[in-house]
Amino acid sequence: DGGITQSPKYLFRKEGQNVTLSCEQNLNHDAMYWYRQDPGQGLRLIYYSQIVNDFQKGDIAEGYSVSREKKESFPLTVTSAQKNPTAFYLCASSPDGSRGVRNEQYFGPGTRLTVT
Amino acid sequence: SQQGEEDPQALSIQEGENATMNCSYKTSINNLQWYRQNSGRGLVHLILIRSNEREKHSGRLRVTLDTSKKSSSLLITASRAADTASYFCATAQTGANNLFFGTGTRLTVIP
Repeated sequence: DGGITQSPKYLFRKEGQNVTLSCEQNLNHDAMYWYRQDPGQGLRLIYYSQIVNDFQKGDIAEGYSVSREKKESFPLTVTSAQKNPTAFYLCASSPDGSRGVRNEQYFGPGTRLTVT
Repeated sequence: SQQGEEDPQALSIQEGENATMNCSYKTSINNLQWYRQNSGRGLVHLILIRSNEREKHSGRLRVTLDTSKKSSSLLITASRAADTASYFCATAQTGANNLFFGTGTRLTVIP
């Protein structure tokens, strides 16, 4: 069953703790993306990766870190430096490589992070 | 901001009516895409229209694109309660490596 998975669905953390959100895809897609969505808002890009061992900052990368050691996996760490981490986090993938037109993205179900 | 903007922000209609939502953007694009998001879920791709296309259909969906006005519209015909969701446009801007999502239209279809 092909797709993109995120875990966990809900995550609770105390302020000051780092937390890592998981994103895995078995679609053999080159590109992966992390977005943040706040209530009633659109998606804002945190980081993206177009190839293994390479990633680029998006619009709101401060306080976040990522790695892309495997094609299938693109974990996101929310660090204690992120001032307002409570949000809904969405991971996506696409077959787009490092060049060319951006086509459709496939989204995971999301992780809702609450930091208190 | 590079994001598109949807209009209206919220729309409430009766089942069976048509729903129209609009998207405006600011820069040159290669394509424009529409996505749907049910509450608390991930986004699902609905339709992609390329910059050299003016209209595209998929089932009950009709998308138009006017590159001279930098705008697009999504029409859902004969709406159903199950169409209740948020709808986002996303632009693939020329030279960019990612999509830029709009702020969304929240559609409620009343049974």
